[in-house]
Amino acid sequence: KQEVTQIPAALSVPEGENLVLNCSFTDSAIYNLQWFRQDPGKGLTSLLLIQSSQREQTSGRLNASLDKSSGRSTLYIAASQPGDSATYLCAVKPPSGTYKYIFGTGTRLKVLA
Amino acid sequence: SQTIHQWPATLVQPVGSPLSLECTVEGTSNPNLYWYRQAAGRGLQLLFYSVGIGQISSEVPQNLSASRPQDRQFILSSKKLLLSDSGFYLCAWSPDRDPSGNTIYFGEGSWLTVV
Repeated sequence: KQEVTQIPAALSVPEGENLVLNCSFTDSAIYNLQWFRQDPGKGLTSLLLIQSSQREQTSGRLNASLDKSSGRSTLYIAASQPGDSATYLCAVKPPSGTYKYIFGTGTRLKVLA
Repeated sequence: SQTIHQWPATLVQPVGSPLSLECTVEGTSNPNLYWYRQAAGRGLQLLFYSVGIGQISSEVPQNLSASRPQDRQFILSSKKLLLSDSGFYLCAWSPDRDPSGNTIYFGEGSWLTVV
């Protein structure tokens, strides 16, 4: 059974720092991995999607990497800003033919001004 | 472009009362539809998913049910709410065939408090 873990559960950093959020999954047979942002009381917004054949994806100050063999993904945020404060969740999609996305519990990030 | 609408945004219901949360998707056809629940401090729990009209798969046996009366409409229901049904409910959709790799999109969520 696939399990997704995100450590740490919460993180507080000063503005301007570069930071890394971690996502681990137990079964390397995945179709893709997606990173989401969730603001308090809101739905999830997709940030980056990495296909199982890819190693990384970049969007602005965000860079996500994927190492399927070790069951790990990282989300790198450069030059963090107070507006980056949110909960970040990762989710894996099992191989084609299944419809379930399995989510981690998230990392709650606070960027201090 | 595609949009997803979910309502009501907030709901306070007494124990034993019925529930109906509704979700509609616009701008696409034959989407895969999902209901998730997010309890405080916990991850997203998949409750139901649907790959077509009238096709519902239940992931967690519980007090809730789901229906898909139309292609782009997904309804979460309960006949009698329990205190443990309180939480944040999220509707989501993914394209039936997505060249970008099956991205999943979420609605804004519905806060349910059972009192």
